[in-house]
Amino acid sequence: GAVVSQHPSWVICKSGTSVKIECRSLDFQATTMFWYRQFPKQSLMLMATSNEGSKATYEQGVEKDKFLINHASLTLSTLTVTSAHPEDSSFYICSASDGYQPQHFGDGTRLSIL
Amino acid sequence: AQSVSQHNHHVILSEAASLELGCNYSYGGTVNLFWYVQYPGQHLQLLLKYFSGDPLVKGIKGFEAEFIKSKFSFNLRKPSVQWSDTAEYFCAVLIYNQGGKLIFGQGTELSVKP
Repeated sequence: GAVVSQHPSWVICKSGTSVKIECRSLDFQATTMFWYRQFPKQSLMLMATSNEGSKATYEQGVEKDKFLINHASLTLSTLTVTSAHPEDSSFYICSASDGYQPQHFGDGTRLSIL
Repeated sequence: AQSVSQHNHHVILSEAASLELGCNYSYGGTVNLFWYVQYPGQHLQLLLKYFSGDPLVKGIKGFEAEFIKSKFSFNLRKPSVQWSDTAEYFCAVLIYNQGGKLIFGQGTELSVKP
């Protein structure tokens, strides 16, 4: 079945640094990719939707200057958390769609900011 | 605003017991409905989906769900659970004309005792 690879799976870094998370669709062309954030014991909250070659659409309350999303190709989207702080620590999950449902999810990235 | 509500936060069952997890959504228009499962340490996997047609849908691993439009519900069922069903279960709704955005419920943690 369709596979989405997310890298890294876990990252620990100091406050103030920027962290890049990659999301790749391995065997299909992802016209749309989604980035979610999941807090412990809570649901997935959509952060933004990105379509290949265009600017991402951010959900209300998500800072687009802090969470930079790039979807430069049909198989790769990146999320960069700029100047990360402890409150940005969370589990970030991407999903990808070729225009047909359902979306296929990556394994997620656990981000810990010290 | 659209929302998805899962009634049970944590369900504990013994093996062979029957399972029903509730899911209600708030939106009066056309929706697609999904149940996802997240096993410990793994990514989200699709259990089943409803797009149209027979409101009783069957998924993988013996799960089924029934869409009751009048109740805005999409409850997940399994006649006899196994220890291996221990996982987090998420109900999700896709609203038409919102670019494939999924709205997730808060999740239900299922623990099955051997």
